Amino acid sequence: KQEVTQIPAALSVPEGENLVLNCSFTDSAIYNLQWFRQDPGKGLTSLLLIQSSQREQTSGRLNASLDKSSGRSTLYIAASQPGDSATYLCAVRRYGGATNKLIFGTGTLLAVQP
Amino acid sequence: GAVVSQHPSWVICKSGTSVKIECRSLDFQATTMFWYRQFPKQSLMLMATSNEGSKATYEQGVEKDKFLINHASLTLSTLTVTSAHPEDSSFYICSASIGGWTDTQYFGPGTRLTVL
Repeated sequence: KQEVTQIPAALSVPEGENLVLNCSFTDSAIYNLQWFRQDPGKGLTSLLLIQSSQREQTSGRLNASLDKSSGRSTLYIAASQPGDSATYLCAVRRYGGATNKLIFGTGTLLAVQP
Repeated sequence: GAVVSQHPSWVICKSGTSVKIECRSLDFQATTMFWYRQFPKQSLMLMATSNEGSKATYEQGVEKDKFLINHASLTLSTLTVTSAHPEDSSFYICSASIGGWTDTQYFGPGTRLTVL
């Protein structure tokens, strides 16, 4: 059974700092991995999607890496801003099967202090 | 593009009543829709997967008679919480995909259910 864990569970940093969020998964047979952002009481916003054959993806100040063999992904946020404050979720899509189910991680609550 | 809406955004109901939550794909046809549940400060847990015109597939531990899912058209899926109890209070999020098991899921904004 696929289990997805995120460390740390919560993080508070001053504005301007670079930071790394971690995601680990137990079954390396994944199709892709996706990072989402969730604001309080809101739905999900997709940030980056990495296919299993890729090593990293970049979008603006965000960079996500994937090491499938070790079951790890990181989300790097450069020059953090108060507007980055949110919960960040990673999710893996298993390889094969009849449906494209996503297994979500436990989330990291990020607070960027002005 | 690829916008998914949910209605209502929040609902409060009395214990024992039934509540229906709608999930609509506004600008695309969704072959598959997913329903998730999220408890406070916890992650999303998949409840069920529904394909248009077919019965929903429920995840282990989810009561199908309590959480009725209907996917009658390619743009609408509904989740009905029957005989709601306070422990059903949660944040319910739907997602929709155009088609194919590899396809991207587009998420709705969520519905906050509070059962008194």
